Amino acid sequence: EDQVTQSPEALRLQEGESSSLNCSYTVSGLRGLFWYRQDPGKGPEFLFTLYSAGEEKEKERLKATLTKKESFLHITAPKPEDSATYLCAGGDTGGFKTIFGAGTRLFVKA
Amino acid sequence: NAGVTQTPKFQVLKTGQSMTLQCAQDMNHEYMSWYRQDPGMGLRLIHYSVGAGITDQGEVPNGYNVSRSTTEDFPLRLLSAAPSQTSVYFCASSKTTGEGTEAFFGQGTRLTVV
Repeated sequence: EDQVTQSPEALRLQEGESSSLNCSYTVSGLRGLFWYRQDPGKGPEFLFTLYSAGEEKEKERLKATLTKKESFLHITAPKPEDSATYLCAGGDTGGFKTIFGAGTRLFVKA
Repeated sequence: NAGVTQTPKFQVLKTGQSMTLQCAQDMNHEYMSWYRQDPGMGLRLIHYSVGAGITDQGEVPNGYNVSRSTTEDFPLRLLSAAPSQTSVYFCASSKTTGEGTEAFFGQGTRLTVV
């Protein structure tokens, strides 16, 4: 059964305290691993797509990496405005037929 | 640039009523999809479309219908609302370029069925 599991469910950090979020997946025919950010009451906001093991992408304080079984979202020196739920999803090349994890809620305290 | 627009933002239905959730995008994307988001379960795919006139079922299609007569619009119809359909519904459109795939989501429709 295709599945995407995120851990931890929630993460509380102090401002400047770097950490990583985990996404493990078993998706047959996986063509892309997607990361999104979701703020309360809003739709998910696209962050990254990773396609092959060893691939890395960066955006500001965020870096996403991919292995054959897992993806990590590394957050370096987070700020309070990084507080959000981060969603991971595995899917096909088009990105529209995807399986989402339940998300990691990140709280960054000043 | 409006992106993906969903209407209404909030809706309360009585059990058995029908309604249509509207979704429109102005980015000329071929791919569009509908998800529902329930607490602790993440987003689940209801239906998707790879272009005008082409739709297919996702993970949880029962009780929902879709059509895609134009590239811009992808409405989701609830045939006979049930309390189990209480959820937040998101519409998305996506494009694939040489850089990869990027998806854009609407702001969501919060539906309550009583």
